[in-house]
Amino acid sequence: DAKTTQPNSMESNEEEPVHLPCNHSTISGTDYIHWYRQLPSQGPEYVIHGLTSNVNNRMASLAIAEDRKSSTLILHRATLRDAAVYYCILRDVIKAAGNKLTFGGGTRVLVKP
Amino acid sequence: DTGVSQDPRHKITKRGQNVTFRCDPISEHNRLYWYRQTLGQGPEFLTYFQNEAQLEKSRLLSDRFSAERPKGSFSTLEIQRTEQGDSAMYLCASSLNGQGRSYNEQFFGPGTRLTVL
Repeated sequence: DAKTTQPNSMESNEEEPVHLPCNHSTISGTDYIHWYRQLPSQGPEYVIHGLTSNVNNRMASLAIAEDRKSSTLILHRATLRDAAVYYCILRDVIKAAGNKLTFGGGTRVLVKP
Repeated sequence: DTGVSQDPRHKITKRGQNVTFRCDPISEHNRLYWYRQTLGQGPEFLTYFQNEAQLEKSRLLSDRFSAERPKGSFSTLEIQRTEQGDSAMYLCASSLNGQGRSYNEQFFGPGTRLTVL
């Protein structure tokens, strides 16, 4: 299975942008890049996903490198409520293995007021 | 609240006892997943159902673990003869799987925290 590598932790100031990198150098052509986050004492929640093109939604933006070997989750204006562990996950939509989420260690984001 | 619910939220048991957890998914979701999360780690996949059929089980799911989804709605996860190593957060998620979807967003419940003394 293709794996992802993320920094263990990042700090940001409130209302500043946060750029969370993810390396996935062994990504396959049918792997989608998904991001989930887990707020303290809660289950994970979906943030965003993409295949090749950059994606935007109300929560965040996802920038995908042209060679797809890395991606960056962008929180445009971090709030205290964005303090969470962010997970970058590859999901193969063709193989049965893509039915489950394979979480790594994620990046713990600390937002300072 | 129409989200995924889990019961109980916390369970403390003695080693060797059996425990059972319940998960109620979002009503129209046909897939239901169980994950386990230990402190400081990301969740690990245990098993998943499509309707009432259990389609995949992780090697983490030893013979002491059994999961059911008898009518394709709620699910139960039972752990027999609990061990201290079973102490973890047990997370349930559900999704709607269908043709033409490029992804199946999983919606997670709040989890059941198990402590085995």
